[in-house]
Amino acid sequence: SYELTQPPSVSVSPGQTASITCSGDKLGNKYASWYQQKPGQSPVLVIYQDTRRPSGIPERFSGSNSGNTATLTISGTQAMDEADYYCQAWDSNTAVFGGGTKLTVL
Amino acid sequence: EVQLVQSGAEVKKPGESLKISCKGSGYNFTNYWIAWVRQRPGKGLECMGIIYPGDSDTRYNPSFQGQVTISADKSINTAYLQWSTLKASDTAIYYCARHTPGAFWFDPWGQGTLVTVSS
Repeated sequence: SYELTQPPSVSVSPGQTASITCSGDKLGNKYASWYQQKPGQSPVLVIYQDTRRPSGIPERFSGSNSGNTATLTISGTQAMDEADYYCQAWDSNTAVFGGGTKLTVL
Repeated sequence: EVQLVQSGAEVKKPGESLKISCKGSGYNFTNYWIAWVRQRPGKGLECMGIIYPGDSDTRYNPSFQGQVTISADKSINTAYLQWSTLKASDTAIYYCARHTPGAFWFDPWGQGTLVTVSS
């Protein structure tokens, strides 16, 4: 079955740029989505179709996808961005999620 | 406002049955897929399957096929996830999420239903 691999954790200083990767076989040939989940809350879509931001999501969130890796980039990271982030793609009509990355802002 | 509202937390014993619900509002419920997603304690997200309420077309993740049943009642804009025999390993938060036909993402998500299975 298809697998998406994310680093378990990423740390970033406030105001700096955080990059979270998501790796999968030929992931660049699929559309990647990204979700933010804060403790005790439901996931929220922050990037869809590799690079698009839903309305209400700050411009500091951006995405890219090429080759075997999709990347979520948060520019000027704020303390409120501390959360778990999940990538997601489709394979064989099944939605697959990455294992999640805990972003710590310190 | 598009909203998915799920039923409340449940505490069950192993071997019992359960049906939880997800009610959509603010959009044409029959024209969008509903996905069910499991999140075990401290773990990641797993898509269990999706249903199209318009015709009840249902597709299961192979890992969950035969373990749960997904259904919908379009007359009351509600999707369901049910178990006939719960196990302790079913303890998790279950989310429903809307999926647009032809799209590749889930948005929005319900608030989640905590299911605890313990003797």
